Amino acid sequence: GQNIDQPTEMTATEGAIVQINCTYQTSGFNGLFWYQQHAGEAPTFLSYNVLDGLEEKGRFSSFLSRSKGYSYLLLKELQMKDSASYLCAVWDSNYQLIWGAGTKLIIKP
Amino acid sequence: GAVVSQHPSRVICKSGTSVKIECRSLDFQATTMFWYRQFPKQSLMLMATSNEGSKATYEQGVEKDKFLINHASLTLSTLTVTSAHPEDSSFYICSARDVRGGIDEQFFGPGTRLTVL
Repeated sequence: GQNIDQPTEMTATEGAIVQINCTYQTSGFNGLFWYQQHAGEAPTFLSYNVLDGLEEKGRFSSFLSRSKGYSYLLLKELQMKDSASYLCAVWDSNYQLIWGAGTKLIIKP
Repeated sequence: GAVVSQHPSRVICKSGTSVKIECRSLDFQATTMFWYRQFPKQSLMLMATSNEGSKATYEQGVEKDKFLINHASLTLSTLTVTSAHPEDSSFYICSARDVRGGIDEQFFGPGTRLTVL
């Protein structure tokens, strides 16, 4: 079956760095998305990786290793507003989105 | 976790026709379902909130007469794109809200790719 795994919850300190991991097993691969979702709001697109490597976008970076079925989202200089759920999703060979359950990130002062 | 399905997964239609997309919560009852549209490398755009037994609430700028939403049961919501045009070609995603046991989570469907010729 198809599966996406990410930690349920993580806690980090304001100003620090946190890495949220995502591993996937899907039938085919056409890219991996990271979204941020604040409670009660629609998910916000953060990144899309389809090739191996690290993509940096401001305080957020996303890494992909297709051979390992692995991605991570790196958040630097954490701010209180970064407290949210972070969703990992993969497009399979049919461009169907396979969703992870989301990682709830709690930022403490 | 809870499972949400969408049907069809992919549809190609001619301009001017109507297309119905179904969203089902397979193992829980969802009083609220959401419909999103995904533009390439952009955020999911919330189109409307669908509440079972009542009219959907549409976001600003979304034509309710063009995107008809029906939430007739606790496990099924449908989105009908009426008189589809090429600019309606997009990836449509639904989600269902699960509030069992004190939790309040949103589970997403796999999406439907609509291509209007």
